[in-house]
Amino acid sequence: GQSLEQPSEVTAVEGAIVQINCTYQTSGFYGLSWYQQHDGGAPTFLSYNALDGLEETGRFSSFLSRSDSYGYLLLQELQMKDSASYFCAVIEGNTPLVFGKGTRLSVIA
Amino acid sequence: EADIYQTPRYLVIGTGKKITLECSQTMGHDKMYWYQQDPGMELHLIHYSYGVNSTEKGDLSSESTVSRIRTEHFPLTLESARPSHTSQYLCASSVKINYGYTFGSGTRLTVV
Repeated sequence: GQSLEQPSEVTAVEGAIVQINCTYQTSGFYGLSWYQQHDGGAPTFLSYNALDGLEETGRFSSFLSRSDSYGYLLLQELQMKDSASYFCAVIEGNTPLVFGKGTRLSVIA
Repeated sequence: EADIYQTPRYLVIGTGKKITLECSQTMGHDKMYWYQQDPGMELHLIHYSYGVNSTEKGDLSSESTVSRIRTEHFPLTLESARPSHTSQYLCASSVKINYGYTFGSGTRLTVV
């Protein structure tokens, strides 16, 4: 089965940069996804990495190293509205996404 | 504007009742999923479907069933609700199984 590890909580200052790491163990790896979820809201898709390297989308970037079974989500120019939970997720074979336990990001002034 | 709709948004029911949580999407996605999530916790897969008349159980499928008679509709039924079913139920759909899931707003279920 799959196993994902990510920090449970991260706190960062408004305007700063924060990195949320995710390590995974899975057979038949296809790619690593990231989702954002605000309190009381639904998860929303942020990014997907199938190949090694960095993918940039505005203030958010996501990185993958397949050889290290590791990825991270990078948030730049942090804003208060970025306070949320962030989940990494993988699939194994033909089964749907398995999500990590989530990292709760608190952005402080 | 949401393209995947879940009803009801909130539900409080008594133990032993049979309930159906509705989920519909207008995006024409073949793949649909049900996840259960307690507040601040991870998402657990309950059921999924990769097309009409095709459903599979996830890790947390006991005591619930699903059907997929139409592409856009994927209801979840609890045959006999118990307090342990108190949770948030999230429906999602996608084109690909490995990324790009669109989630509904969820149904917050409380069983008393």
